Parts: sequence; structure tokens; C-alpha cells
Amino acid sequence: QKEVEQNSGPLSVPEGAIASLNCTYSDRVSQSFFWYRQYSGKSPELIMSIYSNGDKEDGRFTAQLNKASQYVSLLIRDSQPSDSATYLCAGDDMRFGAGTRLTVKP
Amino acid sequence: GAGVSQTPSNKVTEKGKYVELRCDPISGHTALYWYRQSLGQGPEFLIYFQGTGAADDSGLPNDRFFAVRPEGSVSTLKIQRTERGDSAVYLCASRLDQGGTIYFGEGSWLTVV
Repeated sequence: QKEVEQNSGPLSVPEGAIASLNCTYSDRVSQSFFWYRQYSGKSPELIMSIYSNGDKEDGRFTAQLNKASQYVSLLIRDSQPSDSATYLCAGDDMRFGAGTRLTVKP
Repeated sequence: GAGVSQTPSNKVTEKGKYVELRCDPISGHTALYWYRQSLGQGPEFLIYFQGTGAADDSGLPNDRFFAVRPEGSVSTLKIQRTERGDSAVYLCASRLDQGGTIYFGEGSWLTVV
């Protein structure tokens, strides 16, 4: 059974700080990884996908993948209160971790 | 349609009743997923369809849960003899092909009283 584990939350950072969200996975088969953001009462929406080892940047978001360590992370720079949400990661089998709840305090 | 459509958006039913939840995926998307999400938890995988067939139904919690996708488009999640513990948001998602982005519907909020 493939499993995805996310760092325990909740995570609270001040506005303007860097938020770091982490995810480990148990199998070596998944080739692609996805970060989703879910606001309270809403459905998850895609933030970023990453397929290759290394970093992928999109605006204030950077995804990092290390297949050897079976580790994927999401960094949010210059965090804003609007980033407050639950962040979910998944491998290409689309089984999600429990999520990490992020609160950005003004 | 433009997005994944789920009906009903809200359903209140009595314990022991039968419930059907419908998902209409994005046109042309061959893969369809069902999840269950309880408050404060991540989406729990239930079943994955590729076309008409259930490629992976290992997440269905017991034999009260069943899902179909007879024509490879619309899917129905069926729950028999509902229990209060079945109360959750049931999310449907679709993707064009393996490895692509999945897109979620707004969910069906089920309450069993």
C-alpha cells in the first residue's frame, strides 16, 4: 500500500515569512507529485506538480523533489494571509496525505 | 461541461436508507476518482475508474459502498444501509490521462441522521 505522510500541523507563520511544507512517500514507483491547496469548505485545487528531481518554481511557490529520499516539499515565500489553507500532497496514484493546515498571521 | 459536476450538493438521509451520489466529469476525461473527506482529514481514496472499469476499488470501506461508470463518463457512488459514520463530503475528480492534473468537483455533503 502506497502511503503519503505529511508533516504534522498545524503550521503558523507570520505574514511575509517562508512557509515550508513537507511530504514523504513510501513507494519508489510514483513519477509525479502534486501539491493541492484546500480552503475551508472548498474542494482542493492544484498548486503545483513536479516530475523531476530538483526544484520547480512558480511565483511565490517552489516545489522540491528528491526521489532518492522519497521526499517532496513546498515552500511558500512571502506568505500572505490568503495562503491560509490546508495543503495536500499526492503521488501519481492520487492518494492524498492527511494535509497540513497553514495559518499566516497578519 | 466546464468542470466536474456533482449532484446533489447536499443530502440529508436517515440511517439505513440508500443513497446515490452522481459525478459528471470534465468532457473527455477518461480517469475518474471518488474520495471521502471527513472534517479535518485529507481526502480518503475510495475508487478509481479508467474508462468504464474500476481500475482500483481498494479504498471502498465495505460492501455497502459501490460505484459504477457504465458508459465511461458519468459515475454514480451508491451507499446502501447508510450509517451515521458515512456522514462526510464525497468528492469526485477527473483527469485526462495518467499522470495529469486531477480536477475536483464541489463535492456532495452527505449527512446521515
